[in-house]
Amino acid sequence: GAGVSQSPRYKVTKRGQDVALRCDPISGHVSLYWYRQALGQGPEFLTYFNYEAQQDKSGLPNDRFSAERPEGSISTLTIQRTEQRDSAMYRCASSLDGEGEQYFGPGTRLTVT
Amino acid sequence: LAKTTQPISMDSYEGQEVNITCSHNNIATNDYITWYQQFPSQGPRFIIQGYKTKVTNEVASLFIPADRKSSTLSLPRVSLSDTAVYYCLVGEIGGSYIPTFGRGTSLIVHP
Repeated sequence: GAGVSQSPRYKVTKRGQDVALRCDPISGHVSLYWYRQALGQGPEFLTYFNYEAQQDKSGLPNDRFSAERPEGSISTLTIQRTEQRDSAMYRCASSLDGEGEQYFGPGTRLTVT
Repeated sequence: LAKTTQPISMDSYEGQEVNITCSHNNIATNDYITWYQQFPSQGPRFIIQGYKTKVTNEVASLFIPADRKSSTLSLPRVSLSDTAVYYCLVGEIGGSYIPTFGRGTSLIVHP
């Protein structure tokens, strides 16, 4: 079956622009997680959802970052007024019921110039 | 949240057994231990999860002593394709589980 998909795979944007990153989880998965990963580091938790409810957003770096999952399936991570320090790999993962095993997507490589 | 400590890097040779130990001294009663593997340019992939004693699947074994303050991921007879970063996570499954990956252990398998 289809795994987790993310789009776009690569995004280059100019500083100050807004970007929207999309995650399409495995069908039927309740939980959806967003991470940011810098080179040589492990994934850094940003936020997660159970169904459409955002359960925790403590990892979002500042108020320029937001996420939604309005129908409990596809999720969008939005970064407003991007800055160069936002450049990173953004990863999405889903799990059937939050019971530990997460399935990761291929990630979106964001470059802010 | 339980903090985990694991070696930054390890080296091994093809055919050897590799054991990666993770320390989690302040693990809570309801916490599980989960290991992920990550290849370059890919997202992490679940390997194994356990609560106590020993868990084995087709890929690896996980040994957890009675005090649960550490755990050891065992990879039997590694091959070059096992070269990857391995992450140990500790958290309460089903609760407000915030996955914390840390830097992981970079395993390099040599011919």
